[in-house]
Amino acid sequence: AQSVTQLDSHVSVSEGTPVLLRCNYSSSYSPSLFWYVQHPNKGLQLLLKYTSAATLVKGINGFEAEFKKSETSFHLTKPSAHMSDAAEYFCVVRRAGSYQLTFGKGTKLSVIP
Amino acid sequence: DAGVIQSPRHEVTEMGQEVTLRCKPISGHDYLFWYRQTMMRGLELLIYFNNNVPIDDSGMPEDRFSAKMPNASFSTLKIQPSEPRDSAVYFCASSLEVSEQFFGPGTRLTVL
Repeated sequence: AQSVTQLDSHVSVSEGTPVLLRCNYSSSYSPSLFWYVQHPNKGLQLLLKYTSAATLVKGINGFEAEFKKSETSFHLTKPSAHMSDAAEYFCVVRRAGSYQLTFGKGTKLSVIP
Repeated sequence: DAGVIQSPRHEVTEMGQEVTLRCKPISGHDYLFWYRQTMMRGLELLIYFNNNVPIDDSGMPEDRFSAKMPNASFSTLKIQPSEPRDSAVYFCASSLEVSEQFFGPGTRLTVL
């Protein structure tokens, strides 16, 4: 079985300061990991993905995430938050060879001007 | 490409009525997924298709829910009869083989 735990349901940062959204996963097999973003009343958009290549993954809009197998973590970071980053972020795991995604509960990011 | 298209974007209906949600996947994608998003349960996979064939419907909550994919460019999710607890946002997603899934904008369903 696989699961995803997003450690914070809500994160608030000031514009221009770093963003850290935490995610831990559990998977019996070598997983693929994803971060999706959902803006209000919109669908989910892929930010970045890890599929057993480089452990530091760069995504769109300046986001990146580091896969740490020893810590079973896949935290999402951005050096400087922008107002347009305010949204809900989902950490997602997919077991190797499977098409099914398991979603975390989501972290709502607020950006304060 | 226009991306995954879903209709309607919003649906309000009364308990007991039939509801049909529609999805057009990205052209060329061979996998189609239906998800439900609620505050209580987050995002849940309901069913997915490969080449128009249902592969896993274990996430479909009850027999009131059914899904079809008559061709590669169209799928429906039907709820009959609908109940207030079915109120949620329903997402359709598509993918090409084992790759990232592209999500539609969702249908917000309210059952009164």
